[in-house]
Amino acid sequence: QVKLLQSGAALVKPGASVKMSCKASGYTFTDYWVSWVKQSHGKSLEWIGEIYPNSGATNFNEKFKGKATLTVDKSTSTAYMELSRLTSEDSAIYYCTNQFAYWGQGTLVTVSS
Amino acid sequence: DVVLTQTPPTLSATIGQSVSISCRSSQSLLHSNGNTYLHWLLQRPGQSPQLLIYLVSRLESGVPNRFSGSGSGTDFTLKISGVEAEDLGVYYCVQGTHAPMYTFGAGTKLELK
Repeated sequence: QVKLLQSGAALVKPGASVKMSCKASGYTFTDYWVSWVKQSHGKSLEWIGEIYPNSGATNFNEKFKGKATLTVDKSTSTAYMELSRLTSEDSAIYYCTNQFAYWGQGTLVTVSS
Repeated sequence: DVVLTQTPPTLSATIGQSVSISCRSSQSLLHSNGNTYLHWLLQRPGQSPQLLIYLVSRLESGVPNRFSGSGSGTDFTLKISGVEAEDLGVYYCVQGTHAPMYTFGAGTKLELK
């Protein structure tokens, strides 16, 4: 069955960067776009961007351009998202999802000194 | 950007009651290819979102048939015919017609009366 396994929670200092992973299994990784979604505490969902593993093509929500970098490693069927210049506004749970049909368990990022 | 407005923000129901959630779009969600990319998600407490209904009215595999979706253009409805305890959580509509900018509704919290 399809699974998206995300990396564990991260505590990072303001101004630093964080890179999280999403390992896919149960389907052909290169065939489907992988999206990343942000959920701030108690709030709704916000689409960050997506990457097509086969080519590495990306699309972003304008709000997250310059904040998020999306990459993949086809050899391990893993998608990555790096967030840079972190502030308290970046504290949230981040999900990877395959076309909203399959979701990872989420990665909690806490930005604190 | 397309704005999805969900009402009500909170819904109190008893077990067995039928309820409806509305999702209205600021722009038509009818794609030029004839599809309407409006989907419904449920996020149970402490869990990742899960897909319930896609393309307005198609039931995702494994989802009980007490869930149904309807609508067209800018107005959409999710109906639960006979709420069960496992249905409690936050419901989101999400549009993909105007991809690659995906947007979510603010959510409707279903709780027990």
